[in-house]
Amino acid sequence: AQTVTQSQPEMSVQEAETVTLSCTYDTSESDYYLFWYKQPPSRQMILVIRQEAYKQQNATENRFSVNFQKAAKSFSLKISDSQLGDAAMYFCAYRSEGNNDMRFGAGTRLTVKP
Amino acid sequence: DSGVTQTPKHLITATGQRVTLRCSPRSGDLSVYWYQQSLDQGLQFLIQYYNGEERAKGNILERFSAQQFPDLHSELNLSSLELGDSALYFCASSRLAGKNEQFFGPGTRLTVL
Repeated sequence: AQTVTQSQPEMSVQEAETVTLSCTYDTSESDYYLFWYKQPPSRQMILVIRQEAYKQQNATENRFSVNFQKAAKSFSLKISDSQLGDAAMYFCAYRSEGNNDMRFGAGTRLTVKP
Repeated sequence: DSGVTQTPKHLITATGQRVTLRCSPRSGDLSVYWYQQSLDQGLQFLIQYYNGEERAKGNILERFSAQQFPDLHSELNLSSLELGDSALYFCASSRLAGKNEQFFGPGTRLTVL
């Protein structure tokens, strides 16, 4: 079974600085998708970024980028120029090509200090 | 706003009771997913429907059931409720069965007293 591990329960970053959130996953499949979701205090789940496993290029969305290391089964999220609004729980998620459900990590709570 | 709606926002009930949570997917989305998020934990996949048919099942208890109606809205039925069923229940939808990302509704917070 696929599992997703986020080894950092909590992280903090100074406003305007850069922070990296870690995620590793376990799978025997070659085709899959990886996601980072943000959950602010409102509890809404917001898609931050997605990565297809067959793409070698790391995905980027404005200040958010990923470092996807397929061989190492690692998928970290880098947030540049951190803003107070980035404070939230961040969940890493995995979905295989054949399955429809997503497997989520336990989450990392990010605090942004002014 | 993801376009996915869920009602009610909050639900407080007693042990042993039965409740129904409702979800309307984004316009044009055929697939609906249900997730459970217990306090400060990640999301657990419960069940998926695609165009009215059950497509995938996750860690869903036998006391729980779901269905998707012809207008594509979905309902999650929780019965014989226990204290441990208190959680945030999310519905998500996607265009097709598996290739697209899922967009989440605002969730229903269920409290069982």
